[in-house]
Amino acid sequence: DAMVIQNPRYQVTQFGKPVTLSCSQTLNHNVMYWYQQKSSQAPKLLFHYYDKDFNNEADTPDNFQSRRPNTSFCFLDIRSPGLGDAAMYLCATRVGGKGEQFFGPGTRLTVL
Amino acid sequence: QKEVEQDPGPLSVPEGAIVSLNCTYSNSAFQYFMWYRQYSRKGPELLMYTYSSGNKEDGRFTAQVDKSSKYISLFIRDSQPSDSATYLCAMSMNRDDKIIFGKGTRLHILP
Repeated sequence: DAMVIQNPRYQVTQFGKPVTLSCSQTLNHNVMYWYQQKSSQAPKLLFHYYDKDFNNEADTPDNFQSRRPNTSFCFLDIRSPGLGDAAMYLCATRVGGKGEQFFGPGTRLTVL
Repeated sequence: QKEVEQDPGPLSVPEGAIVSLNCTYSNSAFQYFMWYRQYSRKGPELLMYTYSSGNKEDGRFTAQVDKSSKYISLFIRDSQPSDSATYLCAMSMNRDDKIIFGKGTRLHILP
């Protein structure tokens, strides 16, 4: 029944070692988001796709990249993770023209 | 002044009590208002989605928006221990617009 799926749920990486987080959805929503959420903080939008159009937030570091090969899948690539990138990464989806966003369970990233 | 202000808590109430959670905001252009529930180490789950001022009820949950005061509330009736979670308010100007989240209020329902 899971509609927004994130893998892995927990990811451990080393300082500077590239890591990829994945998100898939069965909702056929055309908008997909990546958020970063640190402890006791609001989710921070990194970027989103509206269909194939990529929209980067102005304050998202260049270290963060994303790919969306098709409607169902979206990836977050962190090229050189730093200790400050340890956080929960949340994927969300939405139907364009409707406001409700649906979140996945998140991937908790630890950087050693 | 931050766009969305939310008391982080924690807020502890006895089981069965009515819970009131609140947010204030500064941007009068916000029209769409949401409440999300987030359990520990899980993603946010949409509870309520409302447009403009007024009330919306869904089971034990009531969302209230007062645009004149830039104040939104979520009421939980007959609170249960399973309601223990962090509650995030969120809002946007348009349906396709970026959502701005509050930091969340941690709620503990005591059995």
